[in-house]
Amino acid sequence: GENVEQHPSTLSVQEGDSAVIKCTYSDSASNYFPWYKQELGKRPQLIIDIRSNVGEKKDQRIAVTLNKTAKHFSLHITETQPEDSAVYFCAASIQGAQKLVFGQGTRLTINP
Amino acid sequence: DAGITQSPRHKVTETGTPVTLRCHQTENHRYMYWYRQDPGHGLRLIHYSYGVKDTDKGEVSDGYSVSRSKTEDFLLTLESATSSQTSVYFCAISTTTGELFFGEGSRLTVL
Repeated sequence: GENVEQHPSTLSVQEGDSAVIKCTYSDSASNYFPWYKQELGKRPQLIIDIRSNVGEKKDQRIAVTLNKTAKHFSLHITETQPEDSAVYFCAASIQGAQKLVFGQGTRLTINP
Repeated sequence: DAGITQSPRHKVTETGTPVTLRCHQTENHRYMYWYRQDPGHGLRLIHYSYGVKDTDKGEVSDGYSVSRSKTEDFLLTLESATSSQTSVYFCAISTTTGELFFGEGSRLTVL
C-alpha cells in the first residue's frame, strides 16, 4: 500500500527566512497531495493541495511543488512569520479509494 | 469547520471498559473517517465509511469497530479499551473532490 515519508521531523528557522518540508510517496498512482497545518491543541487544517496534473501551486507565501517522476513533493514557506510555527503534515491519496495516507509530521519553529 | 462535531471531547476511562466516540456532521457528506494521532506517527486511519452501513478498515483497525446507521453519524467503539489506545482521535469528512476536513478531536486516556 501507499507509504509517505516526511522530512525533516523538526525544523527551526529565523523569522523572515524560508522553510522547506519534503515528502516522498510510494504509489505511482497517487494523484492528490494535500498539506495540513496543525497548531498546538487544534485540529489539522488544509492549507494547500496539488493534483498530479500540475507541477507547482502557490498561495501567497506558501507553495507546493510536485515531481511525479521522482515521487516527491515539497512545501515551501517564504518570509516566515511567528504564526507559521506549527506541525505540518503531508499526505497522498490512495489509488482507487477516497483515502489519504499521512506523513509523520514536521514541527516547524520560527525564531524571532 | 465543515459542520463536524465530536463527542466527548475528553474522556478518561479504565482498561477493559467499552468506549464510544461520536462524530456528527451536518452537511450530508458521503465519506467519513476516524484517525488517531500519536507522537511520531502522524495521523493513522482506523476505519472509514463510504455510506450508510458501508464501512471498511484502515491501517490500524485492530481493537476498534465502527457503525454508521445514519448519514450524519459515525461512531467509533473500543470494545475493551487498552492503554495503547490512549490517543487523540479525529473524525473527518471528505468532499467530492477529495479534500479532508477534521473535527476538533477527542482526547482519550485509558488508565
